[in-house]
Amino acid sequence: DGGITQSPKYLFRKEGQNVTLSCEQNLNHDAMYWYRQDPGQGLRLIYYSQIVNDFQKGDIAEGYSVSREKKESFPLTVTSAQKNPTAFYLCASSIVLGGDTQYFGPGTRLTVL
Amino acid sequence: AQSVAQPEDQVNVAEGNPLTVKCTYSVSGNPYLFWYVQYPNRGLQFLLKYITGDNLVKGSYGFEAEFNKSQTSFHLKKPSALVSDSALYFCAVSPNYGGSQGNLIFGKGTKLSVKP
Repeated sequence: DGGITQSPKYLFRKEGQNVTLSCEQNLNHDAMYWYRQDPGQGLRLIYYSQIVNDFQKGDIAEGYSVSREKKESFPLTVTSAQKNPTAFYLCASSIVLGGDTQYFGPGTRLTVL
Repeated sequence: AQSVAQPEDQVNVAEGNPLTVKCTYSVSGNPYLFWYVQYPNRGLQFLLKYITGDNLVKGSYGFEAEFNKSQTSFHLKKPSALVSDSALYFCAVSPNYGGSQGNLIFGKGTKLSVKP
C-alpha cells in the first residue's frame, strides 16, 4: 500500500448524513482515483483527477463529490443522495492519467446504520 | 461495450501445483493489461503489466502472464502455488482510444484458494 494513506479504516454513518473519506499520497503522482468495491462486482470508478483543481466523473459518480485542492490530497464525500453507500472504498494514484500503473491505498470500509 | 471477463469466480489448487487464473477482454485498440492481487480488507497490489513486446510477462512473487492477441486473453500463471498465494486476483485493462490510453476497466475478480 506504500505511499497512499486512507482514513479512517472503518466508518459508520447514519442514513441522511454526509461523510468524507480521506486519501493522501506522497508519491508525487499527478493522477488520483476513487473506486467502490462491492462483493462479486470488482472495482467501479467513482471519480478521477488528472491534476490539481481538475476532476472528472467516473462510471458511478451519482451521490458522491470530490475536490482536488492539493496534489497530495483527493477527499471523497459520500452524500445522503447516495442510495446504497455501504461498500469498501479504494483510493489510487498514478504518475499520469490513463494506462499508467495505479497504486492503491488500504481502503475505507463504510457502513450505513 | 468495453469489458473484462474473469470466467472463474474461484480457483482451487493444491500447494506445489501450477495455477492459472483466466482473463479475457473486449476493448478497443491495443490495450495495456494488468494483474493485481488483493488480500482480505486490504488495497490492491500491483503484480505485473503488459504494454508491448514479449507476450510472456514476469512479475512479482513468481507470477507471470501470457498475452494472446488472437484470443484476447491475458492469463495469470505460476509454476508452483503457495498457500500464501491465496487471495483475490483482478485483471484490468486500459483501452486505447486513438493513441491515448483510457482508465482501467477491472474484471470482477477471481478468488484463488491454495490448499496444503
